[in-house]
Amino acid sequence: GQNIDQPTEMTATEGAIVQINCTYQTSGFNGLFWYQQHAGEAPTFLSYNVLDGLEEKGRFSSFLSRSKGYSYLLLKELQMKDSASYLCAVRDLGGKLIFGQGTELSVKP
Amino acid sequence: GAGVSQSPRYKVAKRGQDVALRCDPISGHVSLFWYQQALGQGPEFLTYFQNEAQLDKSGLPSDRFFAERPEGSVSTLKIQRTQQEDSAVYLCATQRGGAGNEQFFGPGTRLTVL
Repeated sequence: GQNIDQPTEMTATEGAIVQINCTYQTSGFNGLFWYQQHAGEAPTFLSYNVLDGLEEKGRFSSFLSRSKGYSYLLLKELQMKDSASYLCAVRDLGGKLIFGQGTELSVKP
Repeated sequence: GAGVSQSPRYKVAKRGQDVALRCDPISGHVSLFWYQQALGQGPEFLTYFQNEAQLDKSGLPSDRFFAERPEGSVSTLKIQRTQQEDSAVYLCATQRGGAGNEQFFGPGTRLTVL
């Protein structure tokens, strides 16, 4: 079966660092994506990992361990505008994305 | 256009009505996906096109749901005899060819069935 788990919600302070974890069990794997989604808006692409290791892009980094079925998204120097839902998604061999339920991040001043 | 567009943005239907949701992809994107997103949940896959060919429709919840992309560009998702459980946001996403490319999402159509 297909299963992707991530925490339902997290709270962090402006300027801090937060790590959002994602674990997955899927029948096929062709890359892992992180998307950001503000309420009422479309998901927007943040990062893509297909090989093990860390991908860094500005304030955002994403890590993948395929053997452990584990990824995390790291957000540094948090800003109020980072308050949003963060979606972990695995692409299967057919190309479709299988999403977790999303982690609602609240950034407090 | 610059991004994926969807219309209408909001649709209210009475139970039993038929609805049609439209997706205009980014020019040149051969792959097109439809997802359904319930409130507070992640998107769930409905169906996938590569050009005009519907390669996967395993996520369509019932035979009331039908999707087409006759010329390999614009796609329409049709829901017949809508039910209250069909209320959700319907997202369209498109992708250039190549497994490493990300999917770009449209703003979605919020469907409310009364």
